[in-house]
Amino acid sequence: NAGVTQTPKFRVLKTGQSMTLLCAQDMNHEYMYWYRQDPGMGLRLIHYSVGEGTTAKGEVPDGYNVSRLKKQNFLLGLESAAPSQTSVYFCASSYALITAAIDGYTFGSGTRLTVV
Amino acid sequence: AQKVTQAQTEISVVEKEDVTLDCVYETRDTTYYLFWYKQPPSGELVFLIRRNSFDEQNEISGRYSWNFQKSTSSFNFTITASQVVDSAVYFCALSEFKAGTALIFGKGTTLSVSS
Repeated sequence: NAGVTQTPKFRVLKTGQSMTLLCAQDMNHEYMYWYRQDPGMGLRLIHYSVGEGTTAKGEVPDGYNVSRLKKQNFLLGLESAAPSQTSVYFCASSYALITAAIDGYTFGSGTRLTVV
Repeated sequence: AQKVTQAQTEISVVEKEDVTLDCVYETRDTTYYLFWYKQPPSGELVFLIRRNSFDEQNEISGRYSWNFQKSTSSFNFTITASQVVDSAVYFCALSEFKAGTALIFGKGTTLSVSS
């Protein structure tokens, strides 16, 4: 049982390049989330999904797009990377009823992205 | 709207001291969940506790204890007899009990424990 797996773990991009971060979960969770973590800012929600084929904006969605074509995968795309998107990105997943699991939410180990 | 405030940005203590990390939250919902996470230098998020809004009992787990007070909208975390391994960033978070809600984090408190 792998939980939540994020790919890649590290990446360096040049300004203007595009890339996709992949989040995969094997717990049959309905909900999935993308967060970014910046120093002194905590984790801020970028986008989230409450089910296959659905996505919604979080607190800081600009510059990102997401897709959830399969229940187990949640993709985060950067179409034209900017230095301001240098951050650590965390994916998480949960059941629709968060009390269904003791910890409520399961987090991936993070992706460290640097845009130069 | 929901909000979590961790007013203490950084705390430094010496081993064996007790330390309390403050968390104040805002929500309009009557049903919600509060969490604490630890993020050690390795970077992963470690779940510590989840509390629902109807359970105001304090909880103790080893050297860790949590004080939940709805009257002051606070969910404070105390580490007794701190150890160097407790050095980490600690996050308080809130989740409202409704469809489509996500976990909202405070900005975190960095705890440094020196020997």
